[in-house]
Amino acid sequence: DQQVKQNSPSLSVQEGRISILNCDYTNSMFDYFLWYKKYPAEGPTFLISISSIKDKNEDGRFTVFLNKSAKHLSLHIVPSQPGDSAVYFCAASATDSWGKLQFGAGTQVVVTP
Amino acid sequence: GAGVSQSPSNKVTEKGKDVELRCDPISGHTALYWYRQSLGQGLEFLIYFQGNSAPDKSGLPSDRFSAERTGGSVSTLTIQRTQQEDSAVYLCASRESSYNSPLHFGNGTRLTVT
Repeated sequence: DQQVKQNSPSLSVQEGRISILNCDYTNSMFDYFLWYKKYPAEGPTFLISISSIKDKNEDGRFTVFLNKSAKHLSLHIVPSQPGDSAVYFCAASATDSWGKLQFGAGTQVVVTP
Repeated sequence: GAGVSQSPSNKVTEKGKDVELRCDPISGHTALYWYRQSLGQGLEFLIYFQGNSAPDKSGLPSDRFSAERTGGSVSTLTIQRTQQEDSAVYLCASRESSYNSPLHFGNGTRLTVT
């Protein structure tokens, strides 16, 4: 039962342009959402998070948007840089089981010069 | 400071053998988690430790899998009688006790069962 879905396995974007990664979830108990970035042969690294009491969180070039009614979140990277090429995972958790993150399958982002 | 350390980084074993995977969390992190990532899949939760106890073992796929944590620090994940479907990257993560602190992952152990 896939509770967190990333329907785009890959995304190619030109350097300097915006990257938009999407994520959908099914469990209405989820109240905390995170994005992780993963390079090959490394563990995922935390990128940005958002609580369900907010609809937007921004950190430098990264912004996460949350639409609770649609059970949808997105990650915007502006401007995209070659070093952003990685696999991005969306993850979600519920307050009563914090840390037991449910992950999406990931989106491979390739930023081209 | 030092991050989450996992060993070995790679392990090749024959079907039916037992394996032990080790995780050394960030110092001071009370919560420790094991996940695994099979080829082309997202990360799958296995087990969670708070201190030395495991309040949530719901993700362990079978009774061949077990884990322990000692001294509130190092954890070992043991897989007995390995099967080919156990081949995956096993990731350990730790976090601070404060609410909504993010997980910090190690680089994982790539397990291949031949």
